[in-house]
Amino acid sequence: GAGVSQSPSNKVTEKGKDVELRCDPISGHTALYWYRQSLGQGLEFLIYFQGNSAPDKSGLPSDRFSAERTGGSVSTLTIQRTQQEDSAVYLCASSFQGTDNEQFFGPGTRLTVL
Amino acid sequence: AQSVAQPEDQVNVAEGNPLTVKCTYSVSGNPYLFWYVQYPNRGLQFLLKYITGDNLVKGSYGFEAEFNKSQTSFHLKKPSALVSDSALYFCAVRSLSGGYNKLIFGAGTRLAVHP
Repeated sequence: GAGVSQSPSNKVTEKGKDVELRCDPISGHTALYWYRQSLGQGLEFLIYFQGNSAPDKSGLPSDRFSAERTGGSVSTLTIQRTQQEDSAVYLCASSFQGTDNEQFFGPGTRLTVL
Repeated sequence: AQSVAQPEDQVNVAEGNPLTVKCTYSVSGNPYLFWYVQYPNRGLQFLLKYITGDNLVKGSYGFEAEFNKSQTSFHLKKPSALVSDSALYFCAVRSLSGGYNKLIFGAGTRLAVHP
C-alpha cells in the first residue's frame, strides 16, 4: 500500500509570504505528526493529532504556525508571514493509534525562505 | 524534564567490526524507547522499540538495542557493520506531558562505515 506522502517536495518562497504544506497519511492511521528538521539538526516536534482528540500543539514555535487535519485524514501545516529561520525540512508521520507504535515518515517538504 | 541524548555526533567503524551508537534518556515513569534511521535521500525508517519485556530488543537489518535501566541507556548495536549501514541514526523516547504522549528525538548520530 501507499506510504505517507507529502507535497510539495520543495518549496521556495519569499520572506513574508504564507505557505501551506500537505500530508497524506497512511489509510487507517489515526495518529499524525509534524516535525521540523533543520540542516544538520535532529527532529523538532511540532504538532500531534490523535483521532478526534484535541491536537497537541505544544511544539509549534510561534503563532505563525498552525495545522489542521480534516476528516481525520489529510493534514495541512500553514506557516504565515514566513521568516528565513523557518527554512527547514518539514516531516510528516503517521501511526496506527498512538505513540507506542511505529511512526511511518513521509519524504518531507524542503522549505526555503529567501 | 524528559529528554534523550546522543553523545556522539559521528561514529566511524570499519566494515565487519561491531558497532555501537549510544543513547541515554531521562523520563519519568517507564520509558518507551525507539531507534530510527535516515538513509541519504530517504525518509526516516523505524528500526526497533522497547516497551517492556526483554532488555535486548532485536530490530530490522540485524540491529539490536539493549535497555539498561540502571544506566538509563538504550544503545544501538550490530555485531558486524556493513558499508550500507552508513546513515543518520536517531534515538527517541516517549514523553508524557500535559496529558499528551509525544516522541522526543535525540540530535542524531551519523554512522560512517568504511570499507
